[in-house]
Amino acid sequence: DSGVTQTPKHLITATGQRVTLRCSPRSGDLSVYWYQQSLDQGLQFLIQYYNGEERAKGNILERFSAQQFPDLHSELNLSSLELGDSALYFCASSSGPPRGYNEQFFGPGTRLTVL
Amino acid sequence: DQQVKQNSPSLSVQEGRISILNCDYTNSMFDYFLWYKKYPAEGPTFLISISSIKDKNEDGRFTVFLNKSAKHLSLHIVPSQPGDSAVYFCAARGDSNYQLIWGAGTKLIIKP
Repeated sequence: DSGVTQTPKHLITATGQRVTLRCSPRSGDLSVYWYQQSLDQGLQFLIQYYNGEERAKGNILERFSAQQFPDLHSELNLSSLELGDSALYFCASSSGPPRGYNEQFFGPGTRLTVL
Repeated sequence: DQQVKQNSPSLSVQEGRISILNCDYTNSMFDYFLWYKKYPAEGPTFLISISSIKDKNEDGRFTVFLNKSAKHLSLHIVPSQPGDSAVYFCAARGDSNYQLIWGAGTKLIIKP
C-alpha cells in the first residue's frame, strides 16, 4: 500500500460526457502528478501540482483539467470524452520541492472506459 | 516520438536464472534513470535508480547498468524469483521540469 488513494477504481461512461477522478496523496506529500496509461503504452505525464499550484504540464489535452485543493487532494476532470480517452489514470505523490527528484508513490489507478 | 524505448514487450525466464531487461533512450540530456515494477491492479512501485554520472548501481538482487555512449540501460535480476513476475517500466528524468518519461514496459514472467 503506497498510501496514495484514488477513486473510483473503475468508471464507465459514454462519449461526450464529463468525469472527475480523485486522488489523495500520501500524508505529508505536497506534490501530486497525474499520468495516463493507454493500452500497451508507457505512462504519459499529464500534469503536476505542488502545494496547490500547477508546476508542470505534459501531454494534457485542453479537454482535461486538474486542480489541487488546500487539503492537498487533487482532482482530474475529463470532459467531452472520446473513445480514445479510455485508459488507466494514475495519480502519484512525492514529498519534495518540484525541481528536485523525489520518489513518486503511485495510487492503484482509475480505469476509465468510454463507450 | 518515443524518447524511452523498451523493445521487448515480454520476457520469460526460468526461476533461479538471471533476468535482463533492456531500455534505450534517445535524449543525451537525461540525467537520472529509474526502474519501476508494476503488479496487476496496482500502481507502479519504485525499484532502483541510477544517476547519469554512474555506470552501475546495485541493490540486493537488482543491478542497473548504464551505458551512456550507447544510450542504453539494463536491469539485471539475479536470481529471478516467482514474485518478480510483473511489468517493469524504465523511466528517465529529462528537461527542465524534471519530469519522468516512461517506456512502454516489459512483462517479465518467471517460470517455476
